[in-house]
Amino acid sequence: ETGVTQTPRHLVMGMTNKKSLKCEQHLGHNAMYWYKQSAKKPLELMFVYSLEERVENNSVPSRFSPECPNSSHLFLHLHTLQPEDSALYLCASSQDGTGGRGEQFFGPGTRLTVL
Amino acid sequence: GNSVTQMEGPVTLSEEAFLTINCTYTATGYPSLFWYVQYPGEGLQLLLKATKADDKGSNKGFEATYRKETTSFHLEKGSVQVSDSAVYFCALTTGTASKLTFGTGTRLQVTL
Repeated sequence: ETGVTQTPRHLVMGMTNKKSLKCEQHLGHNAMYWYKQSAKKPLELMFVYSLEERVENNSVPSRFSPECPNSSHLFLHLHTLQPEDSALYLCASSQDGTGGRGEQFFGPGTRLTVL
Repeated sequence: GNSVTQMEGPVTLSEEAFLTINCTYTATGYPSLFWYVQYPGEGLQLLLKATKADDKGSNKGFEATYRKETTSFHLEKGSVQVSDSAVYFCALTTGTASKLTFGTGTRLQVTL
């Protein structure tokens, strides 16, 4: 595998379900991100992890819970979601600090539908 | 704070037409500027970038020049193809990648 991978690619869940999204980066980066992309809305940055520490949490509801067990893996745990949470969830990674060139690398996304 | 403004889409062009997608920015300091592209059903991919004034980024026939005097980074392509149909995002950072600021995206539809 190369780049940034995300699983599953598609997920349909009910409002009472619990599920997790997984992201893995194979680029040796030290920072990882979750974004939400909804139709006709700007890209929303949800969480940022740098060196496995959460450095940003942009007022995201507690029904979204991120986890970063190491620099290569990032999870987004979902529970009791609402239909308006249906969106494309994108993971990205970057090399921050010395050696970084400012760009983020994105995975293909997980298309989430909440019924 | 930093911000990026893109022209609203969708932009609809015939194949082989000339493309311009406008992008202007406000930033503290000296930003690096990026264009990302998102093809249907995929994540964002870096298309090109420029890190200092007057730099020209180019890739796949697309070009953008970092204009400090007009705070702009317009994306251009001389002859678009149907395969260029996608959403294009302008972005900037004045620090590390974790501080990347995106525009709202411009959808391009190219028809035969």
